[in-house]
Amino acid sequence: EIVLTQSPGTLSLSPGERVTLSCRASQNFTRNSLAWYQQKPGQAPRLLIYGASSRATGIPDRFSGSGSGTDFTLVISRLEPEDFAVFYCQQYDTSPYTFGQGTKLEIK
Amino acid sequence: QVQLQESGPGLVKPSGTLSLTCAVSGASISGNIWWSWVRQPPQKGLEWIGEIYHSGNTNYNPSLKSRVTMSVDKSKDQFSLKLNSVTAADTAVYYCAMSWVGITWDWGQGTLVTVSS
Repeated sequence: EIVLTQSPGTLSLSPGERVTLSCRASQNFTRNSLAWYQQKPGQAPRLLIYGASSRATGIPDRFSGSGSGTDFTLVISRLEPEDFAVFYCQQYDTSPYTFGQGTKLEIK
Repeated sequence: QVQLQESGPGLVKPSGTLSLTCAVSGASISGNIWWSWVRQPPQKGLEWIGEIYHSGNTNYNPSLKSRVTMSVDKSKDQFSLKLNSVTAADTAVYYCAMSWVGITWDWGQGTLVTVSS
């Protein structure tokens, strides 16, 4: 199965800052079959990005995704207070679909 | 707006069977959609369990395949998960979700299932 490794594990930042989250796959993708999810405490994950770079419906444009092959990135251009959460990447290139271990974004 | 609602026992005994149902509203369970299950152990990450199409076609995670059964009830617009021979390692929040080509578009709120005697 494809293993996804996210880095860093935890980030401490302030509102207004720019953040870059990384997701690296153990195998090269044949398609850009990578999604990003945001999960706040006590809530279900929410789809942010699919196809590596397409924003899901209703997702603000401060969220952007990029990458291909084995290296993918989620950027939040200017952090809002409501953005602090855990972020997961997921590959759907090959079953079983797998998630990264998550990056926790906390307020500094 | 699709709504998904999990239901089922919150406590299951070791070696027993975990059974959950997900009620779907706002979308046709017979549409071109896969219906999936994802779980999350307390304070841990997400694990994809598998998915089912309204035709009954399934796609299970090999790590759980020997213990998992998914089914669809089109008459009730719901789908179900059964996981047998459970242990404490199966304690988790279980989410049902709507998926397409592997992307999980909409999620239920999740239900905590604890495996304990």
